[in-house]
Amino acid sequence: DTEVTQTPKHLVMGMTNKKSLKCEQHMGHRAMYWYKQKAKKPPELMFVYSYEKLSINESVPSRFSPECPNSSLLNLHLHALQPEDSALYLCASSRGQPNTDTQYFGPGTRLTVL
Amino acid sequence: DAKTTQPNSMESNEEEPVHLPCNHSTISGTDYIHWYRQLPSQGPEYVIHGLTSNVNNRMASLAIAEDRKSSTLILHRATLRDAAVYYCILRDVDGGTSYGKLTFGQGTILTVHP
Repeated sequence: DTEVTQTPKHLVMGMTNKKSLKCEQHMGHRAMYWYKQKAKKPPELMFVYSYEKLSINESVPSRFSPECPNSSLLNLHLHALQPEDSALYLCASSRGQPNTDTQYFGPGTRLTVL
Repeated sequence: DAKTTQPNSMESNEEEPVHLPCNHSTISGTDYIHWYRQLPSQGPEYVIHGLTSNVNNRMASLAIAEDRKSSTLILHRATLRDAAVYYCILRDVDGGTSYGKLTFGQGTILTVHP
């Protein structure tokens, strides 16, 4: 199983809502990532978890809150988002050597903030 | 991560070879050259990587210039399924401030004609 799954596929939320994005992998990977991709732009790294500990936060606003409950799961909690946060949110995982590993990406959650 | 430069777009005909160039004149000795691609409506997927020698796998070949300042991703027989954005990325195995990061450039949009 070389699949990273993300739910939901699509999400529409208002600026006052609280929602969560979920990412799951069963490859035994110990590094997990969140990326944000705006339309027609390349993905941009948001967070890196290595062995369930947050190792990189790319100066992401606090309205995005990541959580890694166990080695297979990665959540992104969303609160008080702005319309400019509308984007494709991609999750990825790798074995556990973040500098060298191949990263496996999920299909993404397309988020629209109204 | 050191910067890469790729053409914005390229076109190919089905079943013909495609050579996708990447310039990385500021590459350091510890930078690996990675290629990922992103098919429409999907997350990025790993294609190939190398350090100094040319590399082959089931998806593609990577030709690296002797001075390592440029590289070329070769798709031997393009199919319609190869239409994607191709990203050339340098990764420093020593990490440091680039720990865990895949820094995507603008990439090359490959169009494959039937």
